Amino acid sequence: NAGVTQTPKFRILKIGQSMTLQCAQDMNHNYMYWYRQDPGMGLKLIYYSVGAGITDKGEVPNGYNVSRSTTEDFPLRLELAAPSQTSVYFCASIKGGTNEKLFFGSGTQLSVL
Amino acid sequence: GQQLNQSPQSMFIQEGEDVSMNCTSSSIFNTWLWYKQDPGEGPVLLIALYKAGELTSNGRLTAQFGITRKDSFLNISASIPSDVGIYFCAGPLDTGFQKLVFGTGTRLLVSP
Repeated sequence: NAGVTQTPKFRILKIGQSMTLQCAQDMNHNYMYWYRQDPGMGLKLIYYSVGAGITDKGEVPNGYNVSRSTTEDFPLRLELAAPSQTSVYFCASIKGGTNEKLFFGSGTQLSVL
Repeated sequence: GQQLNQSPQSMFIQEGEDVSMNCTSSSIFNTWLWYKQDPGEGPVLLIALYKAGELTSNGRLTAQFGITRKDSFLNISASIPSDVGIYFCAGPLDTGFQKLVFGTGTRLLVSP
């Protein structure tokens, strides 16, 4: 199993550009999450999904969109990149229910200049 | 939103020393989780705590679920250089673990 796979690992965007951060898991997990981690800070939840076709906002959803058309994939879309979106983005997944073992991807470092 | 505060923010210690860090919340949690993030990687679960007063060990790591259910503690004994990283506490905002809130992190540096 590859676990949670994120691409790309690094990206630099210009203000106003758009991009999609990819996330895929092969563990048949129901729940998937997108977090952002700003320098010296903890992880803030952007969006999450409890299953295919179901998504919901987290703490900091503004400026982002998500979709969950399959169990495996949970892409995060930035439509009009802003400097405030410079951060490290982590995708994570969990089986759900009482299984608390959240698996994280290795992150995407995004800079918006 | 819900906030978990960790202290200290960072620690710089010598190899072999013991380390203590804590995590506090303004509200009650029924589960406490401790994660470690190695440089350039995503966090990995170290220890999970389910009951107030519970003390759980994982090798040189010991974590405690505070009696008030508003805090948790992590101790590392006889630190080694590979203990370097950021340690996060986390707790579920709901019973189904649909949403986890993370602490602000404690950055640990270990000098050989």
